[in-house]
Amino acid sequence: DGGITQSPKYLFRKEGQNVTLSCEQNLNHDAMYWYRQDPGQGLRLIYYSQIVNDFQKGDIAEGYSVSREKKESFPLTVTSAQKNPTAFYLCASSRTGHSGANVLTFGAGSRLTVL
Amino acid sequence: GQNIDQPTEMTATEGAIVQINCTYQTSGFNGLFWYQQHAGEAPTFLSYNVLDGLEEKGRFSSFLSRSKGYSYLLLKELQMKDSASYLCAVMDSNYQLIWGAGTKLIIKP
Repeated sequence: DGGITQSPKYLFRKEGQNVTLSCEQNLNHDAMYWYRQDPGQGLRLIYYSQIVNDFQKGDIAEGYSVSREKKESFPLTVTSAQKNPTAFYLCASSRTGHSGANVLTFGAGSRLTVL
Repeated sequence: GQNIDQPTEMTATEGAIVQINCTYQTSGFNGLFWYQQHAGEAPTFLSYNVLDGLEEKGRFSSFLSRSKGYSYLLLKELQMKDSASYLCAVMDSNYQLIWGAGTKLIIKP
């Protein structure tokens, strides 16, 4: 079955540590996204990529980094510069980035807790 | 600024009908989406509206009025499994999605 796999599902980090969240898709989608979800707020875009080896900052990119070396993979690194990293992180993909009917397929999410 | 408003929480009874409203103010409009998200899980796509009117899909329907900046999601014959959060999102003129905070729907027997 085609889909998006995120790992790990739960992650605990000490302050000052970098962590990398994995996102892999086998849907042959061109565009991939990372969102952060906090209670009482809408999804906020961290980074997105419409093509391999290219990505753009979203609304809250500070303290995060990404890479897109393969079409299938879009890992997110939460660096120690991110002041409040405890959150639920969602990876998503879509066939193309610039289209009205741009339906996103989401992964199951990774919950990061900073101790 | 850009803004999406939806009620924080709603309660309904199994077998009944519920309407979840969404109002928006965005820079341009390229469509409105509804997603369902069960607690701790991935959001899943429910509907997409770009033209005014009602789109029906089984027990779920979605309505759009672009002139009023308004949409609603109508759920009929409610089932316990419909207990979830419902996310409204609007695609702006730059094809960026603006998300509401979601409406938590609680279904009671």
